[in-house]
Amino acid sequence: GAVVSQHPSRVICKSGTSVKIECRSLDFQATTMFWYRQFPKQSLMLMATSNEGSKATYEQGVEKDKFLINHASLTLSTLTVTSAHPEDSSFYICSARVVGGAGNIQYFGAGTRLSVL
Amino acid sequence: AQSVTQLDSQVPVFEEAPVELRCNYSSSVSVYLFWYVQYPNQGLQLLLKYLSGSTLVKGINGFEAEFNKSQTSFHLRKPSVHISDTAEYFCAVSGPNRDDKIIFGKGTRLHILP
Repeated sequence: GAVVSQHPSRVICKSGTSVKIECRSLDFQATTMFWYRQFPKQSLMLMATSNEGSKATYEQGVEKDKFLINHASLTLSTLTVTSAHPEDSSFYICSARVVGGAGNIQYFGAGTRLSVL
Repeated sequence: AQSVTQLDSQVPVFEEAPVELRCNYSSSVSVYLFWYVQYPNQGLQLLLKYLSGSTLVKGINGFEAEFNKSQTSFHLRKPSVHISDTAEYFCAVSGPNRDDKIIFGKGTRLHILP
């Protein structure tokens, strides 16, 4: 099956530092990856759509300078939370859409829990 | 645009009892429907999907769901639950185009009672 690897699974950082989260599709190519944020006991909120070789598309209300997305290859997208603050603490999940696959199926990473002190 | 409603935020059920998690959607076009499961502190795992064809869809871990177009529903069922089924379950809908986003419901927490 399609496997998406997300790293790190947990990160604790000081306020003002930047944190990079990686999302890799291990056994398939993904021209499109997605980044979600999930608050406790809530559903997933789409932050941005990451497109290989082009700029990411951000959802309304998401600061693109705060959440930098790079999708440099067909198997890797990264999300960098710049100058993190305690309010950025959350669970971040990435997903990847199978190229040429039937239907709009996404496979998810295991998530990254970010805690900003 | 599509939307999805999960009517129950939490469903308690005794172990080995049957369970149904409800999901209703709205859309003006044909849809793809999904159920995902999220175990604590993990990402989402695809349980099953409806793209076309048979309205009864079987997934992993003994789950199944039935697409009912007239009632715009896609309820998830399992005839006998196990303690390991304790998790958050998300229903999701997408339009037919590749660029259509997946819209998630708010989730239903399945709580298995011993």
